[in-house]
Amino acid sequence: EVQLVQSGAEVKKPGESLKISCKGSGYSFTSYWIGWVRQMPGKGLEWMGIIYPGDSDTRYSPSFQGQVTISADKSISTAYLQWSSLKASDTAMYYCARSDYDFWSGYLFDYWGQGTLVTVSS
Amino acid sequence: QSVLTQPPSASGTPGQRVTISCSGSSSNIGSNYVYWYQQLPGTAPKLLIYRNNQRPSGVPDRFSGSKSGTSASLAISGLRSEDEADYYCAAWDDSLRVFGGGTKLTVL
Repeated sequence: EVQLVQSGAEVKKPGESLKISCKGSGYSFTSYWIGWVRQMPGKGLEWMGIIYPGDSDTRYSPSFQGQVTISADKSISTAYLQWSSLKASDTAMYYCARSDYDFWSGYLFDYWGQGTLVTVSS
Repeated sequence: QSVLTQPPSASGTPGQRVTISCSGSSSNIGSNYVYWYQQLPGTAPKLLIYRNNQRPSGVPDRFSGSKSGTSASLAISGLRSEDEADYYCAAWDDSLRVFGGGTKLTVL
């Protein structure tokens, strides 16, 4: 069974750094892309970026380029999303999700993690 | 701002058939597959339809997807109370704004 298990909720102050995780199991972690999706409170889904753990090839949405860093450690089947300096506007639910890329699907997702709620408040 | 346009809300009564539309352009729906996701209250999105009209294992056949030109639709037949959720269409677009704005389905 494919599973993506994310790290727990975080409460941080503006300016602090943060790294959240997503551990994959039940499939070959290095053969699929893992992406991140933001959902701000009461809002829709936003595609942030994606990584191929097999070779660490990474793509970012222009909206998130330079704001976050996506990485992966294939030895422990885990992908990460990190911030170096959080802002209040980063408060949101963050989902990781798996993508089986093909030309006409692009980097859309089949399996999703349960989400990590990040709250940034002074 | 989403490049895929969905109605913000839809509703139906139990047993009814409802459809949710998703309008795009030649750079997304017109040239790529459409996916649909269901997000039940307080939970993560779940894949409902992929490659325009394919259902993953475990998704009831009450859910069906279709695509024509630059538009797509999700149909739910035999509506049930547990179908009350947010529904998102998605299609790859080089702008990377790939999700519709979502439709909140209310079962009356």
